[in-house]
Amino acid sequence: EAQVTQNPRYLITVTGKKLTVTCSQNMNHEYMSWYRQDPGLGLRQIYYSMNVEVTDKGDVPEGYKVSRKEKRNFPLILESPSPNQTSLYFCASTLDGRTDTQYFGPGTRLTVL
Amino acid sequence: DQQVKQNSPSLSVQEGRISILNCDYTNSMFDYFLWYKKYPAEGPTFLISISSIKDKNEDGRFTVFLNKSAKHLSLHIVPSQPGDSAVYFCAASAVSSGSSNTGKLIFGQGTTLQVKP
Repeated sequence: EAQVTQNPRYLITVTGKKLTVTCSQNMNHEYMSWYRQDPGLGLRQIYYSMNVEVTDKGDVPEGYKVSRKEKRNFPLILESPSPNQTSLYFCASTLDGRTDTQYFGPGTRLTVL
Repeated sequence: DQQVKQNSPSLSVQEGRISILNCDYTNSMFDYFLWYKKYPAEGPTFLISISSIKDKNEDGRFTVFLNKSAKHLSLHIVPSQPGDSAVYFCAASAVSSGSSNTGKLIFGQGTTLQVKP
């Protein structure tokens, strides 16, 4: 089954404690993205990757890091989380960058105390 | 600066009637528009899209209309069913901008649709 998986699905942490949210896709997609969803703001792109070792900033990259060492994985790293990073996070992938073929993961709800 | 706006946070309609969800955009470089549907505890899933060279695209019960002069698009669901109850996001991209296609979408805030039996 074609899918994008994220782990963990729910996470409560404290300010400053480094965390990683994993994302994996089994469709051999080139493009992967991370979005955050906040009330009244919709989904905003954090980072994206067009291929292995190729990443770039989206609209709200501050406080986040990513890496793309393998095609299937695109982890999101919060080196020093802060309460304003409390949000619902989605990973997405697409084969050729065409937006209508974008597949989203189920989401990770992060709370930073 | 919200480039894609959905000004109605919620909409309630009766089963069998038409649902109309609206979306406005400000960036004239957008040339591809999409609607995504999202159920609780799930990621968004693609519903329907339209290129800026068209003014209408239809897929079963779902039709998207694009008015470029007004920078407005709408999603019509006819007839509405209780299973259509979800959050609907309008999104836009500029795939022909000349830069690498990043798969980047600009989303609206979302409209929660409730279809009552």
